[in-house]
Amino acid sequence: DAKTTQPNSMESNEEEPVHLPCNHSTISGTDYIHWYRQLPSQGPEYVIHGLTSNVNNRMASLAIAEDRKSSTLILHRATLRDAAVYYCILRALDNYGQNFVFGPGTRLSVLP
Amino acid sequence: NAGVTQTPKFQVLKTGQSMTLQCAQDMNHEYMSWYRQDPGMGLRLIHYSVGAGITDQGEVPNGYNVSRSTTEDFPLRLLSAAPSQTSVYFCASSYSAGDYEQYFGPGTRLTVT
Repeated sequence: DAKTTQPNSMESNEEEPVHLPCNHSTISGTDYIHWYRQLPSQGPEYVIHGLTSNVNNRMASLAIAEDRKSSTLILHRATLRDAAVYYCILRALDNYGQNFVFGPGTRLSVLP
Repeated sequence: NAGVTQTPKFQVLKTGQSMTLQCAQDMNHEYMSWYRQDPGMGLRLIHYSVGAGITDQGEVPNGYNVSRSTTEDFPLRLLSAAPSQTSVYFCASSYSAGDYEQYFGPGTRLTVT
């Protein structure tokens, strides 16, 4: 079973910020929160990850709730190339067989 | 660096045939894994390896074998193909089994008739 819950789809206008939510109410203390995205007909691509603190990189920001039961991926200015399926995943460091349980993700559409 | 490469890109098999999907990485990564992705679904872990000579089962291992004789290569063998194994297969690698990003290959699209 996927340990995370995400909306099936979201829509955004080009050049506007996008907030993609993820709930992970059963997260354990050793689970890192990872985000990947998958463009059509491609393999998944790493976006960002974190444990407790908010994280920023050149692609996005990750905001993690204080109780770690939810997180939000923030794309600061959506472009057409950001249209993809976004996966929120928990990476268990104490159970490698349960690593990277992918749910169906959120399909992001970006409108010009 | 070529990253993670997979061959073939496409394959059609008849029920009962066997084949090996190849995966190689040139990043000296210890951790490698195989996933399958069915239409409209997320990825499911088949097998993984934390280093040469060490493999273990993931969520959906039945019907598949793996071995890891070198750091670079992690082939996936289908023993007796079934239509239920029609899927897109992705190989991935990361620096170690710790908290590192995974790099995914382009995928192999397999159809079993």
